[in-house]
Amino acid sequence: GNSVTQMEGPVTLSEEAFLTINCTYTATGYPSLFWYVQYPGEGLQLLLKATKADDKGSNKGFEATYRKETTSFHLEKGSVQVSDSAVYFCALSDRADSSYKLIFGSGTRLLVRP
Amino acid sequence: NAGVTQTPKFQVLKTGQSMTLQCAQDMNHNSMYWYRQDPGMGLRLIYYSASEGTTDKGEVPNGYNVSRLNKREFSLRLESAAPSQTSVYFCASEVRPANTIYFGEGSWLTVV
Repeated sequence: GNSVTQMEGPVTLSEEAFLTINCTYTATGYPSLFWYVQYPGEGLQLLLKATKADDKGSNKGFEATYRKETTSFHLEKGSVQVSDSAVYFCALSDRADSSYKLIFGSGTRLLVRP
Repeated sequence: NAGVTQTPKFQVLKTGQSMTLQCAQDMNHNSMYWYRQDPGMGLRLIYYSASEGTTDKGEVPNGYNVSRLNKREFSLRLESAAPSQTSVYFCASEVRPANTIYFGEGSWLTVV
């Protein structure tokens, strides 16, 4: 079945460092790919998405490119801030009947130190 | 998270007790979902409802029942709570045609 694998955390960085969180997937067909972010004590918020191969999703300085050849959707940011500390989830869509479901990775905690 | 409201936010139950988690969305979305989040396991789908009047099992449905009361509301019921159901529960709904799922703020449930 479809699945998502993320790098394990926590990832600890200093402010202004470069961030990469790896995400690879296994899927039949052509799913859409997503990154969600969860701040402490809150629900999940959509960070960015890409719906087809070679698409680049971007938001708030974060980027991820849908790479079909490597089945990857790595999250990157050039200069992280303390406020980026959160848990990041990679997910893919799994279309079924008239709805669709998200399949999540296990999440990667990011801690940014001043 | 605007538009998806869950209640209660926190609940402690004793083993064997029952309870219902309520979820409502005011965005006129067709599809609604219930997920649970456990440490190191991401989110797993419990049940979903593609439209009013329909419900389907997700990855981990055992021990739960759901009701899609109308287009706005989708409730999750634990008939006889077990410690293994201690988790954070998230309700979500889907907006089209963007095919984006929006989440509520979560319900923290502890079964002792």
